[in-house]
Amino acid sequence: SAVISQKPSRDICQRGTSLTIQCQVDSQVTMMFWYRQQPGQSLTLIATANQGSEATYESGFVIDKFPISRPNLTFSTLTVSNMSPEDSSIYLCSVERQGGNYGYTFGSGTRLTVV
Amino acid sequence: DAKTTQPNSMESNEEEPVHLPCNHSTISGTDYIHWYRQLPSQGPEYVIHGLTSNVNNRMASLAIAEDRKSSTLILHRATLRDAAVYYCILRDLSGGSNYKLTFGKGTLLTVNP
Repeated sequence: SAVISQKPSRDICQRGTSLTIQCQVDSQVTMMFWYRQQPGQSLTLIATANQGSEATYESGFVIDKFPISRPNLTFSTLTVSNMSPEDSSIYLCSVERQGGNYGYTFGSGTRLTVV
Repeated sequence: DAKTTQPNSMESNEEEPVHLPCNHSTISGTDYIHWYRQLPSQGPEYVIHGLTSNVNNRMASLAIAEDRKSSTLILHRATLRDAAVYYCILRDLSGGSNYKLTFGKGTLLTVNP
């Protein structure tokens, strides 16, 4: 199954600034997914990123706050913009393990703290 | 989306079997039952999935009730490394949003030495 490298693994940022998180996959994948996990909570899907098209955002998430790039089939970035302490979370990317119903692989996550 | 219900937490002793239950009374005929686990400070990890029949792999077994309204993830011999949050998730492959995973709160498994 695919191997995901996610960077940075953690960061502490000032409020009002932006952070870009990178997700690199060792194989070509059609869809990449970005999740948020708030402290003590479960995972929530932010958006789905397809190469060559705009990302599809879930209810409650907007492009201005979480712009996503997907320049090729192995790479994606998620930017958390104009950060506030409420954005302190773990952000994870995910891809399908292989074609069909075989589940998903997740990156190890980016632990973001906004001060 | 069909929902799942899991106990908030469970405890086990090392080298003993663990049975993690999941209720999904509103499951549809096209819903697959997926299990993931999340170890501390890591992203979720795929464990196993099934549709109707019981399934086994190197990590665990999945027992599915005949009416499919519940399932049980079985760890045959728990180790300290199995301490994690276990998520039971239904994935419907029939619809337009069939790629989505909806995570519930999961079960926090504690393994005692």
